This record gives sequence, structure tokens and C-alpha cells, in this order.
Amino acid sequence: QKEVEQNSGPLSVPEGAIASLNCTYSDRGSQSFFWYRQYSGKSPELIMSIYSNGDKEDGRFTAQLNKASQYVSLLIRDSQPSDSATYLCAVAFYTGGFKTIFGAGTRLFVKA
Amino acid sequence: DAGVIQSPRHEVTEMGQEVTLRCKPISGHNSLFWYRQTMMRGLELLIYFNNNVPIDDSGMPEDRFSAKMPNASFSTLKIQPSEPRDSAVYFCASSPDTIGDYNSPLHFGNGTRLTVT
Repeated sequence: QKEVEQNSGPLSVPEGAIASLNCTYSDRGSQSFFWYRQYSGKSPELIMSIYSNGDKEDGRFTAQLNKASQYVSLLIRDSQPSDSATYLCAVAFYTGGFKTIFGAGTRLFVKA
Repeated sequence: DAGVIQSPRHEVTEMGQEVTLRCKPISGHNSLFWYRQTMMRGLELLIYFNNNVPIDDSGMPEDRFSAKMPNASFSTLKIQPSEPRDSAVYFCASSPDTIGDYNSPLHFGNGTRLTVT
């Protein structure tokens, strides 16, 4: 059973701080990694995708991937109250098509 | 790009009734996914299609659930008979499948909130 594990939180950080979200996955054959943000009552929306080891930065967001440790993280710099949401880690692997499975999500609260 | 379109947005039905959820993927996307989301179990993959062919239905909870994709622009998820434990938000998502050697992200519809009483 392929799994994606996340700390469910909630993670609470003050406005302006760095929020660090972590994710581990079980399948070493996983090829693509994503972070989605989901506001309450809304559908998930893509924040970052990462495919190779190392860091990938996009504005205030940085995704980090370590395939040897089977570990993906998301850093949010200068956190804003509008960043308060559930963050879902997703992992994709090929099984005749690209199957994408999700972690349970981490709830983030940014306090003003 | 109209996005992934799901209908209905809300469905309330009584136990034992048949429920059909509908999805229109983004034009040109060749992969379609059905997910179910609950507080207890998170976002679970039920089934996914590639080029209209079901690839993996191992997440379909039981025989009461069935999904079809008769053409590239339409898919249904049917529950017959429905039970209260089927109450959840059901999401459809589509993807162009690959960017080079890697798969591209999913684009989600707005979901169908199903309540079975």
C-alpha cells in the first residue's frame, strides 16, 4: 500500500514567520511531487510541483525534495493570514497512467 | 479554459437511492480522476482513466460504486444503492498527463457535496 504521510497539525505561526510543512512517502518509484492548498469548502489548487532533488522556489514558496530520504517539504516565507488553509502533499507514480495520491493534509493557521 | 465542470454541486438523497455524479474534464486532458474527501479519510483516489480507459479502480470502495468514461469529454460516477456512509465531497480532476517525462498536476472541479440520509 503506497502511502503519503503528513502531520495533520494544526500548525500555528505568527504573521511574517516561516511556516514549514513536511511530507514523507513510501514508494521509491514515485516520480512527481506536488503541494496543493485547500481553503475550507473549496477544491485543492496547485501551489508547487517538484520533480528532482533539491529546492525549487516560487515567490514566497520553496519546495524541497530528497528522494533518498523520501521526503518533501514546503516552506512559506513571510506567512500571511491568507495562507491559512490545509496543505496537501501529493505524490504521483506510473502504473499505466500517472496515479496521484494525497496525504491527509496539514492545517496551517497564520495569526495576525 | 472553462476548467473541470462537475454537477450537481450538492446532492441530498435518501438511503437506497441511486446517485449519479457528472464530470466534464478540461478539453485536451487525457487523464481523469475521481476522488472522495471526508474528514476522517482525507482525499481518497477512487478510480482514474487514461484516454477514456479505466487504469486503476482499486480505490472503489465496493460494488455499489461504478464509473464510466464514454468519451473524452464526459465521465460519471454512480452509487447504487447509496448509504449514509457515502456522504462526502466527491472531486473530479483532470490532467494532460505528461510534461516531458513527468506527469503534470491535477486540475480539480468544484466538487459535489453528497449527503445521504
